[in-house]
Amino acid sequence: EVQLVESGGGLVQPGGSLRLSCAASGFTFSSYSMNWVRQAPGKGLEWLSYISSSGSSIYYADSVEGRFTISRDNAKNSLYLQMNGLRAEDTAVYYCARDDSVSGYRGTWLDPWGQGTLVTVSS
Amino acid sequence: DIQMTQSPSSLSASLGDRVTITCRASQSIRTYLNWYQQKPGKAPELLIYAASSLQSGVPSRFSGSGSGTDFILTISSLQPEDFATYYCQQSFSTLRTFGQGTNLEIK
Repeated sequence: EVQLVESGGGLVQPGGSLRLSCAASGFTFSSYSMNWVRQAPGKGLEWLSYISSSGSSIYYADSVEGRFTISRDNAKNSLYLQMNGLRAEDTAVYYCARDDSVSGYRGTWLDPWGQGTLVTVSS
Repeated sequence: DIQMTQSPSSLSASLGDRVTITCRASQSIRTYLNWYQQKPGKAPELLIYAASSLQSGVPSRFSGSGSGTDFILTISSLQPEDFATYYCQQSFSTLRTFGQGTNLEIK
């Protein structure tokens, strides 16, 4: 079974740091690009970051560029999100999601998603 | 960044109704458009990819159409399990973006 499990969320003070992890299983992790997406309480989905299968291509949303760093360890089947300079508006459930596609089609989609981990930024 | 705008933001409908949700992109995204369903307290799930391809396991009452800037998600006959929030998402740009969501409620 293809599965993604996030961990590392919790309560952190404004200006603090947190590192989220996403453990992948049931598929060849090193062959897939990955993403982080978040959802603030009662709000919609916000795409945050993308990393290619090798880690050579990385993209960020403007809202987290310069503060968050995505990385991966293919030997450990794990994806990470290092979050620095946290703000109250970063309070959200953070999801990791696999980037999927089909041969011959340039577009991609997010499937599956993990269950999410809650990050609360508050003093 | 490519902006995605869904309409309506909320919708009330009855069991058996046919429902359409629209998603408009701020520029052409060809067919690089996906739809997701999210139920309260759960992670989103993929419904439709590449604008019109049904994800494996998704009931055939769901369908997607469109290309360029205008896209539609249709549910042909609402079932109790379909009351949820629906999001569109573009993958034309390396900076992926979602629509703001459409909350589908029971009338």
